[in-house]
Formats: sequence, structure tokens, C-alpha cells
Amino acid sequence: QVQLQQWGAGLLKPSETLSLTCAVYGESLGGYYWNWIRQPPGKGLEWIGEINHSGSIDYNPSLKSRVTISVDMSRNQFSLNLSSVTAADTAVYYCAKGFATLDPWGQGTLVTVSS
Amino acid sequence: EIVMTQSPATLSVSPGERATLSCRASQSVSSNLAWYQQKPGQAPRLLIYGASTRATGIPARFSGSGSGTEFTLTISSLQSEDFAVYYCQQYNNWYTFGQGTKLEIK
Repeated sequence: QVQLQQWGAGLLKPSETLSLTCAVYGESLGGYYWNWIRQPPGKGLEWIGEINHSGSIDYNPSLKSRVTISVDMSRNQFSLNLSSVTAADTAVYYCAKGFATLDPWGQGTLVTVSS
Repeated sequence: EIVMTQSPATLSVSPGERATLSCRASQSVSSNLAWYQQKPGQAPRLLIYGASTRATGIPARFSGSGSGTEFTLTISSLQSEDFAVYYCQQYNNWYTFGQGTKLEIK
């Protein structure tokens, strides 16, 4: 049974780069798509982007200029970088498996951007 | 971008009763529609995909219907563990979510 465990810095200053990593257990990254989604406090869900094992990547057009998603097959992990963060990027960030539908999800990481 | 609109924002229903949640797409998404359940402090959980197919392990009291732009999630007999926030998501063109419906105990 696949499980996703994520981690990364929880407090950033404006203009810094958000970096999160998601480790996949119980399944190889190969052959599947892997996603990042975020949820501002008390608000709804926003898809950030996805990657597959061969490096095929799609990003939400609204974030594309600041987002990089990468995969490390040797460690069975994938990562999210979001540059030039502002307070508007404060959210719980989730990783998730799937192409089209998202299942399962990681536990979530609260990232707060504050000076 | 396809905008997903859920109604109502909050739904108050008594345990044992039926709950009906709606989701509307700004343009047709065919049957490329999923429903998720989210409880406080937890990640969302996939309930329904393809508009009407239950995900693995999801009880039969959850059912989905619709196609094109109008979709419905029905919970036939509410259990205490069903009170949560529900999101619809289209995957016809990128992925976008509705703003959620909070299902609360009446």
C-alpha cells in the first residue's frame, strides 16, 4: 500500500524559495504521476503541478513562472520549489499520487510566509 | 480555466438522513469529475471518480452522478464520520477544485 511522507521548511520570509520533498513508500515512482497541491488556511484546494518518472511535467499556468517540480528516482522522492514567495503563498502543501484523480495524499506541510 | 462552483456552501443534515451536494462546471468536463472528503487537520480522501465510480474502500452509501456541467454527490444515510468538507475536482483540462461544501450536523 503506497504511502507518501513529506517534509520541508515551515517558515519563510518574503522573496525566499519554498522547498518541499515527498518520499514514496510501498511503490516505485516509475509509471505514475506525482502532484503538488496547496490549501490556504480556511480555503479551498489549488493544484500546483505534476511530474512523472520520465520527467514529463505540467504546471498550473498561474504559478508556472515560479514553480519547479523534480523527481529523484534513486531516492523514490519528488520535490517542489516555489520561488519568490509572498504572504499569499501561505498554505498547507500536499503531495499526492495520480494522473487526473489524486490518491493517496501526503500528510500536508504548513508553510507560513512572514517577515 | 474551468471554474467549479459547489452548492450549498454549508449543508446541515441530521444523522441517518440523505445529503445531496451539487457541483457545476463553467464548461463541459464530460465525466472527468472526482469528489473528495476532507476532515479537519487531514488530507483530502478520494471518494468518487469518473463522476460515478466509487474509489477503493468507499462505502456504498456514497454515490455520484452527472455529466457535462452538472454533478451531484449523494450520501444516502449519514453516519457521524461523514460530517466533513467535500470538494469536487475536474480533470478534463488541468485540475481545478470547487470551493467546498461543509456538511454539518443538524
